[in-house]
Amino acid sequence: NAGVMQNPRHLVRRRGQEARLRCSPMKGHSHVYWYRQLPEEGLKFMVYLQKENIIDESGMPKERFSAEFPKEGPSILRIQQVVRGDSAAYFCASSPSVGTSGGPKHEQYFGPGTRLTVT
Amino acid sequence: DAKTTQPPSMDCAEGRAANLPCNHSTISGNEYVYWYRQIHSQGPQYIIHGLKNNETNEMASLIITEDRKSSTLILPHATLRDTAVYYCIVRVGNQGGKLIFGQGTELSVKP
Repeated sequence: NAGVMQNPRHLVRRRGQEARLRCSPMKGHSHVYWYRQLPEEGLKFMVYLQKENIIDESGMPKERFSAEFPKEGPSILRIQQVVRGDSAAYFCASSPSVGTSGGPKHEQYFGPGTRLTVT
Repeated sequence: DAKTTQPPSMDCAEGRAANLPCNHSTISGNEYVYWYRQIHSQGPQYIIHGLKNNETNEMASLIITEDRKSSTLILPHATLRDTAVYYCIVRVGNQGGKLIFGQGTELSVKP
């Protein structure tokens, strides 16, 4: 069973360009999360999606950032008009269906990350 | 979600047990304790979780005190590959949602 896949692993963009980061969850997982790790800082939650729905985007910057998880295909994190401060590692995680009783079923499994460098 | 407190760093000799403490004195009755780790530059890795009973899997053991205000992650025979930042996270169990990572404990396993 393949793990969470992210591509590209490394992405270089010039200021003002767009960055598209892709995440394919583990087979059978319908929940996707995006986290950002700035250099020398901790992991910060950005957004939580289920198929075709954004559940929690409380960690997303108000401008330039968007995320989607379509019915078919990978989840996409899109950053428009990138700036140097966007340089970071972006991690995607997926989890199986949420349990409603009998204990949690939602440990999150992380991908290897995409390292974005803005020049 | 309840706040957790962990020591910023710890050392452990290779082959010895690594005991990583976590305080979560404000934990609620429906909150679970989760442990993740992040080996340098890699994505975080789920280790183990528990509610009130001690838990063990192939990676580690989790000991939760009776009052649930603290817990200890035990790596029984630490190896150099266990060098990582270990995160203790408390959150409501049977719901999806974000993980809130603190600063964690940087464990250095030394030969």
